[in-house]
Amino acid sequence: DAKTTQPNSMESNEEEPVHLPCNHSTISGTDYIHWYRQLPSQGPEYVIHGLTSNVNNRMASLAIAEDRKSSTLILHRATLRDAAVYYCILTQGGSEKLVFGKGMKLTVNP
Amino acid sequence: DADVTQTPRNRITKTGKRIMLECSQTKGHDRMYWYRQDPGLGLRLIYYSFDVKDINKGEISDGYSVSRQAQAKFSLSLESAIPNQTALYFCATSDLRADRVRTDTQYFGPGTRLTVL
Repeated sequence: DAKTTQPNSMESNEEEPVHLPCNHSTISGTDYIHWYRQLPSQGPEYVIHGLTSNVNNRMASLAIAEDRKSSTLILHRATLRDAAVYYCILTQGGSEKLVFGKGMKLTVNP
Repeated sequence: DADVTQTPRNRITKTGKRIMLECSQTKGHDRMYWYRQDPGLGLRLIYYSFDVKDINKGEISDGYSVSRQAQAKFSLSLESAIPNQTALYFCATSDLRADRVRTDTQYFGPGTRLTVL
């Protein structure tokens, strides 16, 4: 499975935008970029995914570099509820596996 | 009601005991998964099932077994629990049939905290 690299942690302030980076230099052409997050004491929660084009949904935006070797999850206005561990994961279409790394802990300051 | 439920939510047991963790889903999904999470680490896949008759080992299946009793139920068993199986266990589901782009988005239960003394 292709590997992703994320910072161990980031801090942001409430109501400000936050950009969470992910590097995936060995991504293959069929790999989807998934983001999940895990709030304290809960199971992981799907956030967003994309292949080549930037994506928006009600939770976040995903910006994918033109060469697809990196991506950025954008939370437009961080809230205290966004404090979580964020996982950037590559999956092949039709693959059964999500390979979770250690993720990145986001702290949101009031 | 939650779409993916796990029972029990917490369990303390002793070394050598047999333990069963249960997962039920009302999402109608065909695929189900069991993961474990150790402190400070990401999730690791134990077993997964594409349908009732299809069970597959994940990366850390030793010491575990599973049963897919129905499309909606997937149980994880520890035949003889040992302390290093102390962890958080998560069940997840996905529905490849409905996922036309085949990205396997997974939906997780709330987890079971298992402590083996």
